[in-house]
Parts: sequence; structure tokens; C-alpha cells
Amino acid sequence: DGGITQSPKYLFRKEGQNVTLSCEQNLNHDAMYWYRQDPGQGLRLIYYSQIVNDFQKGDIAEGYSVSREKKESFPLTVTSAQKNPTAFYLCASNMQGAGNTIYFGEGSWLTVV
Amino acid sequence: RKEVEQDPGPFNVPEGATVAFNCTYSNSASQSFFWYRQDCRKEPKLLMSVYSSGNEDGRFTAQLNRASQYISLLIRDSKLSDSATYLCVVILNTGGFKTIFGAGTRLFVKA
Repeated sequence: DGGITQSPKYLFRKEGQNVTLSCEQNLNHDAMYWYRQDPGQGLRLIYYSQIVNDFQKGDIAEGYSVSREKKESFPLTVTSAQKNPTAFYLCASNMQGAGNTIYFGEGSWLTVV
Repeated sequence: RKEVEQDPGPFNVPEGATVAFNCTYSNSASQSFFWYRQDCRKEPKLLMSVYSSGNEDGRFTAQLNRASQYISLLIRDSKLSDSATYLCVVILNTGGFKTIFGAGTRLFVKA
């Protein structure tokens, strides 16, 4: 099946730990994105990548890091510098260009304990 | 001013009602428009694209008004299963493409 796979679906982190959320797509999409969503709130862009080995900060990049070594993969690391990381994290992808629909993975729930 | 704005609601309507949501955008470089649906604790999923001439998909009708810079979504004969958050999405073309999500409008359809 084609799509976007995020893992893990649920993750608990102790304060001071870094954690990495995986995102893999087999849709041959150029662009990939990471969004954060807090309860009852909209999506906020963390990082995005339009091409392999290149990525840009979104609106709330502080405390996060990404890499794009392969077209299919765009992992997100939530570092200890992110002071309030408990949230729902969504990975998405699309082909670059106007009118190109963005597709989402099922999301990862991160909780700091 | 936010680039994409939606009334957060919630809209509480009875089954069978017709309900409409608007979404305004501020950047005239906005090129493509979509409505997404998000169920509680799930990922957003594409509901429909919005075309300049307006388009319909079953009980759902989407329209674009470029002059006033808004898009709308009309749901006829509401079902309980329509209860969700509806997100307006705009793609800007400002040299590169940028996707912007509205914060969403919550709809509750009651029996």
C-alpha cells in the first residue's frame, strides 16, 4: 500500500531525553513536512523539506531537528531543548506544485512523563 | 492578521440541517485551495479540492471567491458522521510553494 508511515504511534519521554519520530513515505513525493498539533488547536509547521539534503525551519522549529538523507524519509528529533513537547505530531508529504494535495501519516502522540 | 482564518465554532446543528463554513485568506498569491476533515485524535484527510468554478461532491459543495478572498464549504442533509473539524488549506505561490492550514471549524451534528 502506498502512503505515509509514522512510528511510533505513542511515545513517552522523560524530561531531558531526546526522542526521534520516524516518517517514511513511498509516494515518491518531493516535499515532506512535520506539524505539531496541541489539543483543540490548529496545525503548526515545525520543519519542511522540498528536496533531499535540504530542509527549512517552519514557524516553531526551536527545540527540534530533522534530516532528509533519503527522499522517502524525514525523521524528526525532539530535543531536550523543547520545553513543552507533549503534543500530536503529524508528518505529511506532497509533490511540489500548485494544486498538489498534501497527505498525512496517522500521527505520533508524544507525552513527557 | 493570520494568512488563513476560520471561525472556530463550534457549530451545533441537528441531523438533516444545512451548514456552511467560510474561510478567508489574506495573500493574493494564494493559488490552490482545499478542505480537509479531521476527526478527533486522527490525522487530517482531504475532503475536496476547491475549484474556481465551484465544485460539488455528493452533499458537499465548495466555492471560491477570489475577489473577496474566501472559500466556502456547504454541507447539505448533515449526518451524525459529519461531526468533525474542517480545515481550510491554501497553497501560496511566492516563488516557492507554501501550504497554510487554517485552525479549523468544529462541527457537531446532533440526533
